[in-house]
Amino acid sequence: DVVLTQTPPTLSATIGQSVSISCRSSQSLLHSNGNTYLHWLLQRPGQSPQLLIYSVSRLESGVPNRFSGSGSGTDFTLKISGVEAEDLGVYYCVQGTHAPLTFGSGTKLEIK
Amino acid sequence: QVQLQQSGAELVKPGTSVKLSCKASGYTFTSNHMNWIKQTTGQGLEWIGIINPGSGGTSYNVKFKGKATLTVDKSSSTAFMQLSSLTPEDSAVYYCARAPLAYWGQGTLVTVSS
Repeated sequence: DVVLTQTPPTLSATIGQSVSISCRSSQSLLHSNGNTYLHWLLQRPGQSPQLLIYSVSRLESGVPNRFSGSGSGTDFTLKISGVEAEDLGVYYCVQGTHAPLTFGSGTKLEIK
Repeated sequence: QVQLQQSGAELVKPGTSVKLSCKASGYTFTSNHMNWIKQTTGQGLEWIGIINPGSGGTSYNVKFKGKATLTVDKSSSTAFMQLSSLTPEDSAVYYCARAPLAYWGQGTLVTVSS
């Protein structure tokens, strides 16, 4: 199975600060069809995960544009440009290129 | 709007089975596959499998083959997951999530205890 390694495991930020989360894959996530199925989820405390970014860099409808995704192959990054209080929670990367679908172990964002 | 309403929490005994439900609304049920995902504190998020509501076709994570069985009832737009031969390691929150993960149910807590 594809292993997704997220760093850092925890992140503490002040309101307005920009932060980045890394997700590294044990193998390339470039599918034979040319797409890369690497997505980012946010799970707020007590809630279900929600999709933020899909296919590396595409913003899900309704998600603020302070969230952005980048990367290719095995290295991917989620950036939050100007953290807001509502951004606290656990961020997960997830890949759908190779079966079975697998998730990173999560990055917990705390607000200082 | 798309909604996935999952069944309530379950407290079940080891060795028994449980059937969870996920009722979809706000879209054409047969148009999107449905994932099932397990979440525990120790193992994080794990993908169990996926079902095509239109055909009933399924694909499972090898780890959950024999443990989980996915079905649907098109007449009620409901997806089901049956978990069998339950052990304490099956205690978790289980989510249904419409492919490609844009919509999630609220989760069902399953506790396996004697």
